[in-house]
Amino acid sequence: SQQGEEDPQALSIQEGENATMNCSYKTSINNLQWYRQNSGRGLVHLILIRSNEREKHSGRLRVTLDTSKKSSSLLITASRAADTASYFCATDGNQFYFGTGTSLTVIP
Amino acid sequence: DTAVSQTPKYLVTQMGNDKSIKCEQNLGHDTMYWYKQDSKKFLKIMFSYNNKELIINETVPNRFSPKSPDKAHLNLHINSLELGDSAVYFCASSTGGSSYNSPLHFGNGTRLTVT
Repeated sequence: SQQGEEDPQALSIQEGENATMNCSYKTSINNLQWYRQNSGRGLVHLILIRSNEREKHSGRLRVTLDTSKKSSSLLITASRAADTASYFCATDGNQFYFGTGTSLTVIP
Repeated sequence: DTAVSQTPKYLVTQMGNDKSIKCEQNLGHDTMYWYKQDSKKFLKIMFSYNNKELIINETVPNRFSPKSPDKAHLNLHINSLELGDSAVYFCASSTGGSSYNSPLHFGNGTRLTVT
């Protein structure tokens, strides 16, 4: 399947620590996007990285992309309790393909 | 102002009934989508419309019928509801029909429970 697969499925850290989530995919892509989903809400777009980019930053977020390994990582630095959510990667094809997400819990 | 709004937020109904979910976006986007999120949080596309025309129709039972009266609205009608239809349904929108460089904007979902 073309969908992204996030790893780990669940992650629990203390406030202030960094959180790293990984995404693997199977086919070539034009871009990869990361989304956040708070409980009971819709997904919110965080960042898009194009296939010719290796790293991108947005505030406390850092995304890397390795097209040779077909993988991406999302790093959240200095985590906060408000970062508690599920995080999804989405790859493009003729549509967006999502995985099942990483559930992040940040303990105050 | 809510960018992508869908109603109702919760929908509880019995097997065999017919129900509709409505979606509206005020972002001026050309493309709208319906996604289904199951209990394991897997998010799968069902339909995509660009300027009122169907462009993606994944393998979905024909009991599901999308309708787009204009490019700001995409409704989902479901006939003869089954237990397996229980899920959270998300509406989303984006700019530029076949361009997948633009992010999706999601509504807050409709939790459908079929009993």
